[in-house]
Amino acid sequence: DAGVTQSPTHLIKTRGQQVTLRCSPKSGHDTVSWYQQALGQGPQFIFQYYEEEERQRGNFPDRFSGHQFPNYSSELNVNALLLGDSALYLCASSLSGSSSYNEQFFGPGTRLTVL
Amino acid sequence: GNSVTQMEGPVTLSEEAFLTINCTYTATGYPSLFWYVQYPGEGLQLLLKATKADDKGSNKGFEATYRKETTSFHLEKGSVQVSDSAVYFCAPGGSNYKLTFGKGTLLTVNP
Repeated sequence: DAGVTQSPTHLIKTRGQQVTLRCSPKSGHDTVSWYQQALGQGPQFIFQYYEEEERQRGNFPDRFSGHQFPNYSSELNVNALLLGDSALYLCASSLSGSSSYNEQFFGPGTRLTVL
Repeated sequence: GNSVTQMEGPVTLSEEAFLTINCTYTATGYPSLFWYVQYPGEGLQLLLKATKADDKGSNKGFEATYRKETTSFHLEKGSVQVSDSAVYFCAPGGSNYKLTFGKGTLLTVNP
């Protein structure tokens, strides 16, 4: 059973550039959440996608946007990169409507470095 | 919104020692509670969960009990192993589905 996969593993960008990160959910899951984890900190919720729409959003600027495709995979886009955007970006998938409806399974993450 | 306060680390123990990592939370509504573990260079893995008051979650020798009256979900293990060395995160999950994480507790177990 394939778990949550993310690509790329690592990414280096310069300030002002744009980046796209990708996530494929665990088989059978329909909901994808994105988190940002700065070094030495806990993950912070960015947003969640369900049925191809953003269902909820955390306290992140509009530079952070996303998309969910009909096959439930998702992309996270960050525009006008800042040094402070350097972090591990984690994707998590879950199944809406299950008895453990907010149990989320995490991917290995994408390490983004902004120079 | 939800928030969580975790025991500050790092925590350093000898193998076979008893482990407790404290976690308290504030929440609107009635969240499920989770402990996640993060090994070096990896993503988060669900360690255990509890979905209602007095539920005890358990896995791999770890246990935590959902205490609504004290809004706590402390993690315990009777005998830690070197392989338990990792960062541990407590996370309430609200009815709005997102997980709220604390800063995490770094555990190092020495042989």
